[in-house]
Amino acid sequence: DAKTTQPNSMESNEEEPVHLPCNHSTISGTDYIHWYRQLPSQGPEYVIHGLTSNVNNRMASLAIAEDRKSSTLILHRATLRDAAVYYCILRAYMDSNYQLIWGAGTKLIIKP
Amino acid sequence: ETGVTQSPTHLIKTRGQQVTLRCSSQSGHNTVSWYQQALGQGPQFIFQYYREEENGRGNFPPRFSGLQFPNYSSELNVNALELDDSALYLCASSSGTSGRVRNTQYFGPGTRLTVL
Repeated sequence: DAKTTQPNSMESNEEEPVHLPCNHSTISGTDYIHWYRQLPSQGPEYVIHGLTSNVNNRMASLAIAEDRKSSTLILHRATLRDAAVYYCILRAYMDSNYQLIWGAGTKLIIKP
Repeated sequence: ETGVTQSPTHLIKTRGQQVTLRCSSQSGHNTVSWYQQALGQGPQFIFQYYREEENGRGNFPPRFSGLQFPNYSSELNVNALELDDSALYLCASSSGTSGRVRNTQYFGPGTRLTVL
């Protein structure tokens, strides 16, 4: 089954880069890697997604390993507003349809 | 542009009762997905509706059912509530030609359901 593994929590200093790792060793060739984040008392918010190549957008960068069994979300300059739970998710084909398979996420703590 | 809204914000029910949760999609979105999020865990996919038809379902029993209306708003119904149904229920909308989970999903703030 498609599954992701992330550290339970990470700490970083404000205005420094943050690298959030994710392992997905059971990923299949057609599974996309998505990242969402959830701020306290809010619904999840899309961050970035990719398939094979590294991806950049205004929020973050996604570095995908060559064998696709791991990926890293990079926040280039963390602010206090980036404190959230970050979910690494596989878009996988399960139970006859495509689903987003969520893990437990990484709680990112930003220290001022 | 109006975002995804959900109602009610909080709800308390007793075991065995039935509940209906509501979701209004973001303007222009034709696909709605529902998720259950237990405390301290990631969301779990319940089902998805595309143009008023269910086109995907996770590992949830039939007492979890839904509807999508012509304006693409949606309802989640849960019958015979159990204590383990206590969770945050999230609705997400997206747009697409096939309803596949390909496009960015936009989430509402959720409904916190407590079953006593």
